[in-house]
Amino acid sequence: QLRLQESGSGLVKPSQTLSLTCAVSSGSIINSGFSWGWIRQPPGKGLEWLGYISQSGSTFYNPSLKSRVSMSADRSKVQFYLRLMSVTAADTAVYYCARGSGRTVLDYWGQGISVTVSS
Amino acid sequence: QSILTQPPSVSGTPGQRVTISCSGSSSNIGSNTVNWYQQVPGTAPKLLIFTNTQRPSRVPDRFSGSKSGTSASLVITGLQSEDEADYYCSGWDDGLNGLVFGGGTRLTVL
Repeated sequence: QLRLQESGSGLVKPSQTLSLTCAVSSGSIINSGFSWGWIRQPPGKGLEWLGYISQSGSTFYNPSLKSRVSMSADRSKVQFYLRLMSVTAADTAVYYCARGSGRTVLDYWGQGISVTVSS
Repeated sequence: QSILTQPPSVSGTPGQRVTISCSGSSSNIGSNTVNWYQQVPGTAPKLLIFTNTQRPSRVPDRFSGSKSGTSASLVITGLQSEDEADYYCSGWDDGLNGLVFGGGTRLTVL
């Protein structure tokens, strides 16, 4: 059973950078046949796709966040990363990492990490 | 306002059949496949239906999906109390060039 685990700071100050890591329990990320993505959920609201990194290492971002978001992967550590710059209170959410079969089927999810943007 | 439109809530009694709709457009549902996720409050979403109609092996056959034109539906038969959750439809949008979700539907089992 594949497991994904998010980690990172749960409190970020406004205008700073949110940085999260997703650790994958087995296998590899690059050339794995799967994509690796991030989704968030503001309190009491629905799901928002942030983007993904493909098996080849290419990245695809939500156009509404494109100027602030970056994703990367470390194949040796079997981890992938999210950076969201210049955060505001609107970025407060539970952040999930997930494995994608193709670009749209999110078949394994992490348990989520709550991030609050506040001074 | 979500790109994919779902009813905010539906309800049913144990044993009943309920349907959750997901309405989109030609740039998303009309030209791409639809997936459904189930989220029990306080937990991560889980894949329920993929590629319009397919179920992961762990998902009981009480859950089924369909797609027609620019709309999709999730049907749950033999409703059980454990089905009480939020349900989200999702798919790729060619216009936005990104993955979009419906606003979610809260299913209450009365």
